[in-house]
Amino acid sequence: AQSVAQPEDQVNVAEGNPLTVKCTYSVSGNPYLFWYVQYPNRGLQFLLKYITGDNLVKGSYGFEAEFNKSQTSFHLKKPSALVSDSALYFCAVRAYGGATNKLIFGTGTLLAVQP
Amino acid sequence: NAGVTQTPKFQVLKTGQSMTLQCAQDMNHEYMSWYRQDPGMGLRLIHYSVGAGITDQGEVPNGYNVSRSTTEDFPLRLLSAAPSQTSVYFCASRSPGQQETQYFGPGTRLLVL
Repeated sequence: AQSVAQPEDQVNVAEGNPLTVKCTYSVSGNPYLFWYVQYPNRGLQFLLKYITGDNLVKGSYGFEAEFNKSQTSFHLKKPSALVSDSALYFCAVRAYGGATNKLIFGTGTLLAVQP
Repeated sequence: NAGVTQTPKFQVLKTGQSMTLQCAQDMNHEYMSWYRQDPGMGLRLIHYSVGAGITDQGEVPNGYNVSRSTTEDFPLRLLSAAPSQTSVYFCASRSPGQQETQYFGPGTRLLVL
């Protein structure tokens, strides 16, 4: 069975500092990995994904994530945090191939950026 | 494109009532799904569909029914609402192939009293 773990319920960072939101996964075979962001009272917005290719993936709003197969991790990073980055972040995984393979989400990490 | 739309935005039900949450997409995506979001539990998959006429269960299907008569629409039915179904419900559709991306609707906030 596939699963996603986001070990931190909340991450606090000062504006201008680098940020990391952690994600580890478990899936049979190769993974498709995703990060989504949710602002208050809004739906989920796609940030970035890893399907294949370069392990470092760049996405929207200056975010990036690094796929590490040996550590089964896909941590979200940004070099310099903004107050406007404060939101709920979800990591998601689905097994490679097969239209029926489901997208499974982590429990989410609340990012709080202090001015 | 309107993307993924959901109605209603907010609904209050009494225990035992039934209702249908509507979801539509105009991107011609075959794959659609319903999630519920609860505090501390992330998003959990209720039902999904890989095309018109084909549906299957996700992680938490009990108490919910779905049907997929057209590519565009994927309604979620609550047969007899329970307080445990108080949640925020998101519908999503997924673009195909290696460029796949899942697009979410704005959500329906449901309160069951």
